[in-house]
Amino acid sequence: DSGVTQTPKHLITATGQRVTLRCSPRSGDLSVYWYQQSLDQGLQFLIQYYNGEERAKGNILERFSAQQFPDLHSELNLSSLELGDSALYFCASSTVPGTGGTDTQYFGPGTRLTVL
Amino acid sequence: AQSVTQLDSHVSVSEGTPVLLRCNYSSSYSPSLFWYVQHPNKGLQLLLKYTSAATLVKGINGFEAEFKKSETSFHLTKPSAHMSDAAEYFCVVSVSGYALNFGKGTSLLVTP
Repeated sequence: DSGVTQTPKHLITATGQRVTLRCSPRSGDLSVYWYQQSLDQGLQFLIQYYNGEERAKGNILERFSAQQFPDLHSELNLSSLELGDSALYFCASSTVPGTGGTDTQYFGPGTRLTVL
Repeated sequence: AQSVTQLDSHVSVSEGTPVLLRCNYSSSYSPSLFWYVQHPNKGLQLLLKYTSAATLVKGINGFEAEFKKSETSFHLTKPSAHMSDAAEYFCVVSVSGYALNFGKGTSLLVTP
């Protein structure tokens, strides 16, 4: 158990809908990262937040957005869902925002999103 | 740009025999490299990480990896495979100190 929690574990929805994925980082971790794992694209970095502020963006679609709240939990919002958005979404957390690339990211169990 | 290439998409070994999962990296400077493991329907677990302190890195569950700059490699090894080692393994490089860039993964099958 990494200490990172994600809810829900599974989500099934229809095209065009909007969903929210939630992540609680490990106690004391200020950084939260979101990743998408799909069969065709593999594991891809989406976005990073540090202490409430956006720090870095990866291959995140404009239909997707995220935020980190004062209690440090984070939410990933996915809107206008398409079939291709079906994937496993992981949240990870670390203590510091990646100083020198040595900071370890601890991953949650993921949320499996199925878009029908 | 920092990236990794996992040379085998599938590796099959017999229980009790050595494991070798190969990874080459591409980086314009000294990289931070990781190996993560993903068991079926589970999250990602860190096996080990290289941060330039020592070229031979020991991880959990008997795994280790050696950083070879001359070969731009970071192969993962284990002397003796166990059935519980069957999983997907990812070689990972840290990009600019924040995002992780994952390889495509190597599926390890362990047969009795």
